[in-house]
Parts: sequence; C-alpha cells; structure tokens
Amino acid sequence: AQSVTQLGSHVSVSEGALVLLRCNYSSSVPPYLFWYVQYPNQGLQLLLKYTSAATLVKGINGFEAEFKKSETSFHLTKPSAHMSDAAEYFCAASNFGNEKLTFGTGTRLTIIP
Amino acid sequence: EAEVAQSPRYKITEKSQAVAFWCDPISGHATLYWYRQILGQGPELLVQFQDESVVDDSQLPKDRFSAERLKGVDSTLKIQPAELGDSAMYLCASRGDIDPWAFFGQGTRLTVV
Repeated sequence: AQSVTQLGSHVSVSEGALVLLRCNYSSSVPPYLFWYVQYPNQGLQLLLKYTSAATLVKGINGFEAEFKKSETSFHLTKPSAHMSDAAEYFCAASNFGNEKLTFGTGTRLTIIP
Repeated sequence: EAEVAQSPRYKITEKSQAVAFWCDPISGHATLYWYRQILGQGPELLVQFQDESVVDDSQLPKDRFSAERLKGVDSTLKIQPAELGDSAMYLCASRGDIDPWAFFGQGTRLTVV
C-alpha cells in the first residue's frame, strides 16, 4: 500500500527566508503526487501536482516542488516566505488507476516576523 | 469556479445522538470521497464512491457510520450513535474522470460533547 512520510511536523522560518517542507513516498512505481494547504478550520486547497510530466512543478503562491525518483521525494519549496504562508501543508499520493488519495501527517509552517 | 459544497460547517452534538453531514460534489465528478481529519493529523479515507457505488469503505466503522450516494451525485455521511472520539473535521472531496487530483470542500467540524 502507498504511504507518504512528511519529515517535521512543525517548521518555523523567518519572513523572507527559504521554505523547505519534506515529503517522501513509498511506491516503487512513481505515483501522482500532490501538495495541499489547509488554513485553520478550512478544507484543503491544491497547491501543486505532479502527474509524470515535468519533474519541477510550479504551483500557486510562489511554491514549487521537485519530483526525484531516485530519492522517492517530492519536497515543497518557496524562495521567500511570507506571513500569509503560515498554514498546515499536506503531501498526498495516488497510484495510476487507483484513485485513493493517501495523505502524510502534515507539516505546520510558522513564519517568524 | 466550481466548488464542493458541504453542510453544516460546524456541528455540536451530544454523545449517543445521531448526526448527518451532506456533500454536493463538483458537477460531473464521478468519484466522491469522505475523509476524517482528527486535530493535528492528516486526513484518513472513510469511504470512496464511484458514481453510486462504494469502491472502498475498508476504514469506515460500519457499526456506527453509514454513507450513501443514491443518485450518484450528492452524498450523506451519518453517525449513529456519536461517540466522543468522533470529534473531528469531516472532509468531502470529488474528482473528475480525467484529472487525478481531488477538490475538497470546506469541511464539517464535528464536536461531540
């Protein structure tokens, strides 16, 4: 079964600093990979998606992620953090032909003024 | 922009009472998911529908939870009787036939007292 691991349940960065949130998947077959963002008491909003096209994926709000098959990783980055980026971020995966979405446990991002 | 609609947004219920949540997916989306998200954790799949059929309900506590999607459009998730441990955010999501990513509603925050 597919599993998703997010290293670091809490990440704090200063405003303007680089944001790096880590995600690793378990499947031997590259899955579809997603990053979602969740603000307090809200649903999940899709940030970006990898669907076997370009390995560097750009999303909304200046975020991007790079798919690395050799490392089974899909880390999320943003060059310069903004206060509005403070939220919970979830990495998720699904396999081709199986629409079940499996989520990681999430990373809470705090931005320090 | 099309959205997944959920109601109610918030629900407080007493232990042993019945409670129901409603979800209207994006028009034309055949796949519908119900996820449960306990505070501080990632979403966990409760049930997945393809049209009106259940595809996966392996994690649904069937002694107290039920879900239906009678006409293959909107869906209802019911809990009877509610227990204190059911306090969580209940998220509905839908997915189209072509794109492998899901769109989430705003969720229903359930508090059992």
